[in-house]
This record gives sequence, structure tokens and C-alpha cells, in this order.
Amino acid sequence: GAVVSQHPSRVICKSGTSVKIECRSLDFQATTMFWYRQFPKQSLMLMATSNEGSKATYEQGVEKDKFLINHASLTLSTLTVTSAHPEDSSFYICSASAPRGVEFFGPGTRLTVL
Amino acid sequence: GENVEQHPSTLSVQEGDSAVIKCTYSDSASNYFPWYKQELGKGPQLIIDIRSNVGEKKDQRIAVTLNKTAKHFSLHITETQPEDSAVYFCAATKGYSSASKIIFGSGTRLSIRP
Repeated sequence: GAVVSQHPSRVICKSGTSVKIECRSLDFQATTMFWYRQFPKQSLMLMATSNEGSKATYEQGVEKDKFLINHASLTLSTLTVTSAHPEDSSFYICSASAPRGVEFFGPGTRLTVL
Repeated sequence: GENVEQHPSTLSVQEGDSAVIKCTYSDSASNYFPWYKQELGKGPQLIIDIRSNVGEKKDQRIAVTLNKTAKHFSLHITETQPEDSAVYFCAATKGYSSASKIIFGSGTRLSIRP
């Protein structure tokens, strides 16, 4: 299947700092990428839909000023968690839509805010 | 909106036996149903998918069935092996458009007993 990478895989930061997570589709162009959040032993929760060249669409309850998304190219989307707090600690996963709607996921980024 | 229910939440089977995970969906417009396997600390991996114009699909030890009338679909794993232990998510989405959101089930934690 297609390859989607995420960087970093793990990050620990102090409360109040911002963290940027990159998501790249390595072997196909993705017009649309998705960002998810996953708490332990729970399913994936969609945070936002990221479309190349336009503003991201956020799900209800997700603060767009808190979770900044930029989709600057067909192979790269970034999620910036601004002024992170301990409650933002979670597993963040991106996905990229390949042709015909098949969605491939990245390996995830474990964020820990101290 | 779409709602996907998944059962059971946990499943333990003897190595070599079969495992079955069932899902139901609510939106009759959904027409693409992927299944993902997620190992601890990793992103979900697409293992098999089925589209609404097909009733059954098989790939080696994994098969998926779809009943559009009843709006349910199932994952069947035969001859289970220890490496099948993981969390499995069913999902449903509408259309082949890359902008279609995927709605996930709550997940099934599958354990294979040696």
C-alpha cells in the first residue's frame, strides 16, 4: 500500500510551547489529508480535513486557533499544536487520501506535554 | 450523520481458530468499507476493503462480507496466528471522493491465545 510518514514519532514538550507535526505522502499526491486524535484504548477521532491550497475544515469542538493546519503541497500537511497543555497529550495520526478514496494512515505522533 | 457500531470490543481466540468482527452502519449512502489493523503505538494499516457493489472479498486468510440491505459488514480471519493480535477498526465512508470522511467503529481488541 501507499506510504504516509509522520515526523516526529514522539515529542515531549513543556506546557505553553508549540509543537509542529508533519505528515507526508511519499508515493502519491494527496489533495486531501486528515488529522486524527486518539486517546488510549479509544477509536480515532477526526479533528480536521486538510485540503491542499485551502483552509482546513475543523470538526465540531476542535479549536482551529489551537490546532493550526497547513497543507502547502500535495504531499505535505502540518499540524501545529499551539500553547500546548497537558490535556493536549495524545496520539496524533494523519492520513492521506489516495485515488478512489482509499485512505492511508501515518505511523502516528505521540505528544506528551509536561 | 453516519454512525458505525462494532462488536465485540474484545475477542480472544485460540491460535488456529477463526475470528469474526461485526459492524453495522446507519447511512445507506455509504459505499466504501475499509478495515484497519492497529498495533500498539502505531498508526492503522489498511488490511482489506470492500465497496458496495461487492458482497464478499477475500485476501488469503482475511475475508470481508457486506450486506447492504441489513447495513452490516463483517471481517473474518481464518487460521489465526499470534501476529494477528491487534486492534481492528471497521469504517464506512461515502463516495470515491478523496474528501469523504471516514467514520470509524469503536474497535475490537483481538488476542490470539497460543
